[in-house]
Amino acid sequence: DAGVIQSPRHEVTEMGQEVTLRCKPISGHNSLFWYRQTMMRGLELLIYFNNNVPIDDSGMPEDRFSAKMPNASFSTLKIQPSEPRDSAVYFCASRGQGEGNQPQHFGDGTRLSIL
Amino acid sequence: AQSVSQHNHHVILSEAASLELGCNYSYGGTVNLFWYVQYPGQHLQLLLKYFSGDPLVKGIKGFEAEFIKSKFSFNLRKPSVQWSDTAEYFCAVNGNNRLAFGKGNQVVVIP
Repeated sequence: DAGVIQSPRHEVTEMGQEVTLRCKPISGHNSLFWYRQTMMRGLELLIYFNNNVPIDDSGMPEDRFSAKMPNASFSTLKIQPSEPRDSAVYFCASRGQGEGNQPQHFGDGTRLSIL
Repeated sequence: AQSVSQHNHHVILSEAASLELGCNYSYGGTVNLFWYVQYPGQHLQLLLKYFSGDPLVKGIKGFEAEFIKSKFSFNLRKPSVQWSDTAEYFCAVNGNNRLAFGKGNQVVVIP
């Protein structure tokens, strides 16, 4: 039973470079969430999709961040250009039908370091 | 929008001690409540959840939580912790189809 799959697990890059994080949700799940985790701010919701449509992107920090979900089995979170303050662990989570009364299942995260 | 408060961010205790982590939320409507655990270097995993019914919820690994509606609380407990319970614990509240997480409790269990 494959869980949420994220890639890469680790990314180290120089500031100014484009970064693309990838997520494959659990098959059959219709909601997908992108979170950012830092020591200072804890776990923050960036954006979530329902049936591939972005529902709430109010957590996206600024225009440098963008997320897409071209189909039910794939989503990307892109940062362009990246900055050192974007360094964090980025988690993707998916959830099945039933909305709020279903738990979210998290991927292993992408640890991003911007130098 | 709902918010979640977790107190005592860092907790250090010895094996066999009892653990209680507080969680308070602010949201006036119907909520679904969760506790997640994040072991070092791993992703968040669901410990337990409350949707309705018995306010005392049993989860995995001997954890339980009690929903007290009048206090807007959902505290997590374990009577006797083990070294392997060292982790970060997050309370989460789903209201209006949006999941809000607390800042987490870093728990260290000393053998």
